Amino acid sequence: AQSVTQLDSQVPVFEEAPVELRCNYSSSVSVYLFWYVQYPNQGLQLLLKYLSGSTLVKGINGFEAEFNKSQTSFHLRKPSVHISDTAEYFCAVSVRTNDYKLSFGAGTTVTVRA
Amino acid sequence: DAGITQSPRHKVTETGTPVTLRCHQTENHRYMYWYRQDPGHGLRLIHYSYGVKDTDKGEVSDGYSVSRSKTEDFLLTLESATSSQTSVYFCAITSGGYNEQFFGPGTRLTVL
Repeated sequence: AQSVTQLDSQVPVFEEAPVELRCNYSSSVSVYLFWYVQYPNQGLQLLLKYLSGSTLVKGINGFEAEFNKSQTSFHLRKPSVHISDTAEYFCAVSVRTNDYKLSFGAGTTVTVRA
Repeated sequence: DAGITQSPRHKVTETGTPVTLRCHQTENHRYMYWYRQDPGHGLRLIHYSYGVKDTDKGEVSDGYSVSRSKTEDFLLTLESATSSQTSVYFCAITSGGYNEQFFGPGTRLTVL
């Protein structure tokens, strides 16, 4: 079975500063990796996904993530955050042979301050 | 808009009563999922469906049952609600393959 660990539960950051959210996964087979964002009182929205190919993945709103197979990591980054990036971020993993079920990390709450 | 609706959006009920949550999709996707979201746990899979009348358990299925009698509807039932089932419930859909899951707006359930 696959699992995900998000290493930071809370990340406070100042506006226009960079941010990195850390995600590690474990799986014995090839995985698909996802980052979702949840704004207050809303559902989840996909930021980006890694399926195969280039290890650097670009998503919406200026976010990007790098897949590192040897480190089993999929860290999310943004070079300059805005107040509107305040949200909870979830890393998730699925495997092709498992009915595409997602296993989620516990989430990282990003709070952007002016 | 992924064409997913959930009803009701909010519900308060008492311990021991049955509760049914509905997920409706307009995209004709094969796979549908029910998750619950709790602080510190992220989202955890309750049950999922891979076709009409085809369902299977997730990691937190105890106390829950599901039904899918047609492609567009996936029902989650709490036969006898308990306070530990107070949570936010999300439905998701996907057509599988390389496609991501799309999530509904959620149902906030409070069991008193």
